Amino acid sequence: DTGVSQNPRHKITKRGQNVTFRCDPISEHNRLYWYRQTLGQGPEFLTYFQNEAQLEKSRLLSDRFSAERPKGSFSTLEIQRTEQGDSAMYLCASSLEGGQGRSPLHFGNGTRLTVT
Amino acid sequence: GEDVEQSLFLSVREGDSSVINCTYTDSSSTYLYWYKQEPGAGLQLLTYIFSNMDMKQDQRLTVLLNKKDKHLSLRIADTQTGDSAIYFCAVLNTGGFKTIFGAGTRLFVKA
Repeated sequence: DTGVSQNPRHKITKRGQNVTFRCDPISEHNRLYWYRQTLGQGPEFLTYFQNEAQLEKSRLLSDRFSAERPKGSFSTLEIQRTEQGDSAMYLCASSLEGGQGRSPLHFGNGTRLTVT
Repeated sequence: GEDVEQSLFLSVREGDSSVINCTYTDSSSTYLYWYKQEPGAGLQLLTYIFSNMDMKQDQRLTVLLNKKDKHLSLRIADTQTGDSAIYFCAVLNTGGFKTIFGAGTRLFVKA
């Protein structure tokens, strides 16, 4: 178990640019989640995948945000035309949902995005 | 809607017990969690409790659940300076796919 891995750790971009983040979940986990955390707040749910299917998206996820999980393994989160309000820590988590029950979320160390 | 509330700060002396409290609104939550976050890092799962339990103990950690009052607490015995961090209470929503987090309690441990 190598844990959830996120890249890059930090991203600084100019307003209006596109950015893409990657998440590699724990290999046997079938669920993958994206959360956003701003300073002084807890993580806020953005979206989640069961295998390769994106099953739920938060209202926080505007049309500029898109997430994919091809082949049900790693996932990418893309933000187009970034705005200063997008500056936050983007956290990825994974869990196992199956006949044995549900495992808690296991988080990566996050990607900190700064939009200048 | 679904909400999780926590006090924002707690300061204790090294060696004392810390108690962090949390209230939530979704009475159908099945799993309730405590996570720890250190600066610049992701969230680390500390412990969790299923809704049909009242208490769970794990070494220095004790979780108490009062379902009637929708109140969850985390007690850390013999608090150490290394316990200084932000502690998040979280609950699994009724639909079973979204974990909802509080804003976190910052624990300061004075030597």
